[in-house]
Amino acid sequence: DAGVTQSPTHLIKTRGQHVTLRCSPISGHKSVSWYQQVLGQGPQFIFQYYEKEERGRGNFPDRFSARQFPNYSSELNVNALLLGDSALYLCASSLGRANTEAFFGQGTRLTVV
Amino acid sequence: GESVGLHLPTLSVQEGDNSIINCAYSNSASDYFIWYKQESGKGPQFIIDIRSNMDKRQGQRVTVLLNKTVKHLSLQIAATQPGDSAVYFCAESYSGSARQLTFGSGTQLTVLP
Repeated sequence: DAGVTQSPTHLIKTRGQHVTLRCSPISGHKSVSWYQQVLGQGPQFIFQYYEKEERGRGNFPDRFSARQFPNYSSELNVNALLLGDSALYLCASSLGRANTEAFFGQGTRLTVV
Repeated sequence: GESVGLHLPTLSVQEGDNSIINCAYSNSASDYFIWYKQESGKGPQFIIDIRSNMDKRQGQRVTVLLNKTVKHLSLQIAATQPGDSAVYFCAESYSGSARQLTFGSGTQLTVLP
């Protein structure tokens, strides 16, 4: 079975641009969470989606948004990119809303120049 | 805000020895804990989890200990192998937080030949 898949794996954007990152959860998993990991630090929670609804949001500006589709895949959108948005963006999937046993994808490395 | 922290940023052990990675958490409401292993350029890999109604849980070559009295978590790796070299994160969550995971900054484990 495929694990959590994310695309693209690497991305370079210019300040002010927007970006869309994609995630496909493990088959059968209905919950998707997004995390930002800056180099040298642990991942920071951005969003959780379950059954296409936002169930939790971390301390990130409104430039960050996300959505979940009927097939439980998800997109993370970031507008008006800043240099500080450069990070590894991780998607985690779990079976249900309780979000226990969260499994991560390989991440998307975003570089803003 | 509440945070999860690790006592030691780096740990070096001889191949074949046992490793112990420690973690302190500060949110007394946390009731679920996970250890992740992250290799360079990859997403966090689920190792083992434990719920707050348990003190100890064993997996293959790994054991997690939870001491709720002092809010301390540890990961023990038996017979450490070169492939165990990675950054290890502990993460906590509680049911009232949409189960968002709060990560510490990580411990770099290096296995010496």
